[in-house]
Amino acid sequence: DVKVTQSSRYLVKRTGEKVFLECVQDMDHENMFWYRQDPGLGLRLIYFSYDVKMKEKGDIPEGYSVSREKKERFSLILESASTNQTSMYLCASSRYRSDGYTFGSGTRLTVV
Amino acid sequence: DAKTTQPNSMESNEEEPVHLPCNHSTISGTDYIHWYRQLPSQGPEYVIHGLTSNVNNRMASLAIAEDRKSSTLILHRATLRDAAVYYCILRDVGSSNTGKLIFGQGTTLQVKP
Repeated sequence: DVKVTQSSRYLVKRTGEKVFLECVQDMDHENMFWYRQDPGLGLRLIYFSYDVKMKEKGDIPEGYSVSREKKERFSLILESASTNQTSMYLCASSRYRSDGYTFGSGTRLTVV
Repeated sequence: DAKTTQPNSMESNEEEPVHLPCNHSTISGTDYIHWYRQLPSQGPEYVIHGLTSNVNNRMASLAIAEDRKSSTLILHRATLRDAAVYYCILRDVGSSNTGKLIFGQGTTLQVKP
């Protein structure tokens, strides 16, 4: 069965820390995505990548950056964590643009 | 991005069919219709997708109107495990797009025993 694995299920970080959220997929997918999900706001796209070393801004990229050095790994970086970045973060991947996405289980990040 | 409209919530009885509607009157020729569902405390799960013809898989069926301005996700026999938020999303795969999914608020499906 295909899998998208997010490195942590729960994470607590302090304000100002640099935070790395890791996502690995084992399906040789070209496209990878990072979303955050907040009550009342739904899922919002932060960044996506359709190839190694390629990245595109989503709808809410401010305060975030990404890295895709290898096809299977897509990292989300919070350069200086703030309390308004407390959220559920979801990673997803797909092979082709028309295909369905496979999502990871999510990382619930709390910034204190 | 073309938008979809879904009812906020629906109820169903266990073991009965469920028809979840979605309107997408501004759909373009390169938009695929995708359905996902999200159970509590989990990431979204792909259910089904289609372009023009009706589609069936082990989870559900997707009925697409002839003019493509609406679609219906059909769960043939609802179980308690089908209680979730269901998202209908248009995925534009035109040459200038990377096919990113834009999620709306979805339909919360309650299944009663």
